[in-house]
Amino acid sequence: GESVGLHLPTLSVQEGDNSIINCAYSNSASDYFIWYKQESGKGPQFIIDIRSNMDKRQGQRVTVLLNKTVKHLSLQIAATQPGDSAVYFCAETLTNAGKSTFGDGTTLTVKP
Amino acid sequence: EAGVAQSPRYKIIEKRQSVAFWCNPISGHATLYWYQQILGQGPKLLIQFQNNGVVDDSQLPKDRFSAERLKGVDSTLKIQPAKLEDSAVYLCASSLEGMNEQFFGPGTRLTVL
Repeated sequence: GESVGLHLPTLSVQEGDNSIINCAYSNSASDYFIWYKQESGKGPQFIIDIRSNMDKRQGQRVTVLLNKTVKHLSLQIAATQPGDSAVYFCAETLTNAGKSTFGDGTTLTVKP
Repeated sequence: EAGVAQSPRYKIIEKRQSVAFWCNPISGHATLYWYQQILGQGPKLLIQFQNNGVVDDSQLPKDRFSAERLKGVDSTLKIQPAKLEDSAVYLCASSLEGMNEQFFGPGTRLTVL
């Protein structure tokens, strides 16, 4: 259940596998990044964030990796569960402007 | 803590009609955002308020869209007249002043026939 490097609009994984969701951002000046999870019929929900002075940040079952050289962000979900099925968006932010730009999203489907 | 409230949740109108959406942000959140989310895409910022002032409305189609936040709390977004391509989910979000994390409401799904 991996899509290393390339952004894919959909990703299907088996329950219990690890998932990797990728995102390319556009502005090299962006200094803050957030991953959001959006379930059907709901608004996006914060998962994890990372500042541009970091390469990696870990949360509960989730890890975000930032590669500023190639302007790439990834979200790793360990032991993916059916409840993880949703659309995942990355958002890049220019803190001084207080403005976030969202990517197109990846739909994650977890098969039992 | 109560989340961001939006109403209505669903709205169906015919083209050229007008429609209004309402948002009540989290108490104490000075910054309020309206986004348009077309099916299959990420949210696109329409307008951003800081208290009752507009910070960014560069992506708002001002010939038909308007928004206000008169008392720096609740906000309304209006479309007049609506076009078919306005069919989308309209999301409201809020954040504490100076903070990047945004808290989203459930959205209003607009269908223009």
